[in-house]
Amino acid sequence: GIQVEQSPPDLILQEGANSTLRCNFSDSVNNLQWFHQNPWGQLINLFYIPSGTKQNGRLSATTVATERYSLLYISSSQTTDSGVYFCAVGSSSGYALNFGKGTSLLVTP
Amino acid sequence: DAGITQSPRHKVTETGTPVTLRCHQTENHRYMYWYRQDPGHGLRLIHYSYGVKDTDKGEVSDGYSVSRSKTEDFLLTLESATSSQTSVYFCAISLGSSGNTIYFGEGSWLTVV
Repeated sequence: GIQVEQSPPDLILQEGANSTLRCNFSDSVNNLQWFHQNPWGQLINLFYIPSGTKQNGRLSATTVATERYSLLYISSSQTTDSGVYFCAVGSSSGYALNFGKGTSLLVTP
Repeated sequence: DAGITQSPRHKVTETGTPVTLRCHQTENHRYMYWYRQDPGHGLRLIHYSYGVKDTDKGEVSDGYSVSRSKTEDFLLTLESATSSQTSVYFCAISLGSSGNTIYFGEGSWLTVV
């Protein structure tokens, strides 16, 4: 399957700071999604973004499919942004998504 | 809310006993998935279904079986639970296959003692 690498593995920010999370993948994809897992374990879909750029409030994401990477931007971070961010990819030859190991984010007051 | 209900949400069971986790959806989506989440491994696919009675294996299917007799229900069975199957299990659904948005249930915490 497609290999997915996320960086950094851990990140600590002070409230109000900006951050960029990266997702590299090893092959062509027709699906790329970003998820946030909150401290209660709930997985929330942030973006469906196999290519291009999307924005939703303080969050935005960009996928450059030809170069096999995606970036998740968090601006003006808040303590509620804490949790683990996962990148997951899928290809046209498969049925399900392959997940990276995540970036664990802690935003301190 | 993606209309996914997992049950039970928490379970402690003994080694060697059978366990069934249920995933119920109200969205009438064709594709359903079972993932497990373990520290250091992220989420790994156990089994998936692409229709009633149509299922296939994922990356970590050994020790697990699934059944889907109705569109809305996808069951995951551990025939004889082992301590290595202690994990958090997530059900997911999508309208299409790999090219569509996927939505997760709230998870089932299983401890095998």
